Amino acid sequence: EAAVTQSPRNKVTVTGGNVTLSCRQTNSHNYMYWYRQDTGHGLRLIHYSYGAGNLQIGDVPDGYKATRTTQEDFFLLLELASPSQTSLYFCASSGAGLNTGQLYFGEGSKLTVL
Amino acid sequence: AQSVTQPDARVTVSEGASLQLRCKYSYSATPYLFWYVQYPRQGLQLLLKYYSGDPVVQGVNSFEAEFSKSNSSFHLQKASVHWSDSAVYFCALGNYNVLYFGSGTKLTVEP
Repeated sequence: EAAVTQSPRNKVTVTGGNVTLSCRQTNSHNYMYWYRQDTGHGLRLIHYSYGAGNLQIGDVPDGYKATRTTQEDFFLLLELASPSQTSLYFCASSGAGLNTGQLYFGEGSKLTVL
Repeated sequence: AQSVTQPDARVTVSEGASLQLRCKYSYSATPYLFWYVQYPRQGLQLLLKYYSGDPVVQGVNSFEAEFSKSNSSFHLQKASVHWSDSAVYFCALGNYNVLYFGSGTKLTVEP
């Protein structure tokens, strides 16, 4: 069973704060993704990566940085958090690219920016 | 550009009734289409996927979906729903290495 683990599961910060969301997958997957989920919008892609050191920009990248340090680890960084970034964040991994594979999701990280 | 539209934000059905959740897509080529389900306080799980061939695809837990190129649709169906099917369902389209999701349909199954 594919496994994707996110931390922290819940985070509260203030406007202007610095937040790092972590994601680790133990599936030896090449692709990793960060999505945010908001009511009425579904899931929107922030950043993704196809390997260590690689970063691709998604649909809603403004205000977010990301870094893939190893095959297993993908981090999402909010350096100056704003209330508009209050959301539920999901990390996912995929082994073969989306055209042939499927995404395995973590359980989500709920971020509240006051 | 590609997009996925789920026109129904909420659907309520009675237990044992049939179900259809609608999904429309916009894409210039033959799409790769998926249905995912999200149970409360969990991540998304794959229900089924369509790449090509038979337009009716079977998924887990007796769900199936029918692809229609002429209608640009990929509707999810189930003959008889159970209370445990209550969840949020997402339709998604794959473009190269990116998955684009619809806004989701929250399904409530009433006893």
